[in-house]
Amino acid sequence: GQQLNQSPQSMFIQEGEDVSMNCTSSSIFNTWLWYKQDPGEGPVLLIALYKAGELTSNGRLTAQFGITRKDSFLNISASIPSDVGIYFCAGQPQQGGSEKLVFGKGTKLTVNP
Amino acid sequence: ETGVTQSPTHLIKTRGQQVTLRCSSQSGHNTVSWYQQALGQGPQFIFQYYREEENGRGNFPPRFSGLQFPNYSSELNVNALELDDSALYLCASSPDRGLTDTQYFGPGTRLTVL
Repeated sequence: GQQLNQSPQSMFIQEGEDVSMNCTSSSIFNTWLWYKQDPGEGPVLLIALYKAGELTSNGRLTAQFGITRKDSFLNISASIPSDVGIYFCAGQPQQGGSEKLVFGKGTKLTVNP
Repeated sequence: ETGVTQSPTHLIKTRGQQVTLRCSSQSGHNTVSWYQQALGQGPQFIFQYYREEENGRGNFPPRFSGLQFPNYSSELNVNALELDDSALYLCASSPDRGLTDTQYFGPGTRLTVL
């Protein structure tokens, strides 16, 4: 099935460092979403983006909807141990009658105290 | 705590068998979507139900089917199980179709096919 290109695949950082991850697609997306998934849990929405160029923050998290509508990035500032988990980008295609989301493969974040 | 529950938590089946997974949506949520998440992958959209009718389907064969009930519960049925069906199955409910930013995921059912 269709998936977004998400990078990096994994990151190992020290507590207090900033983190950046991104997603790209060959198709245009109408909406970009960023989720975090902890072990044994379903994904939890962090940030939703609706307009090209939009920059949105949620605490230490900042995400942007790319101008071309084909990419998005997520930044985490001053990382803490509870930031550990898998981060997924997801896009809602512009075309199509269903409301399906297309997910990236995830970025696994490890934070060393 | 999203208010979305799934059962069972884990399940082991053998190839060729049939399985039914269950989801209980948040009260008042008339839309439920099902996703398959293989190990090390992102979730893949299976289908969505809105007011008990299928409202869009991903690239999955007909042996994947679903039901949605008036009491905010739903089912995912998979017939003729294959080894590649081993995955975490997630349901997500939302108050209305199209509202992906108010879509809440359950914890998933881990299906293992031997």
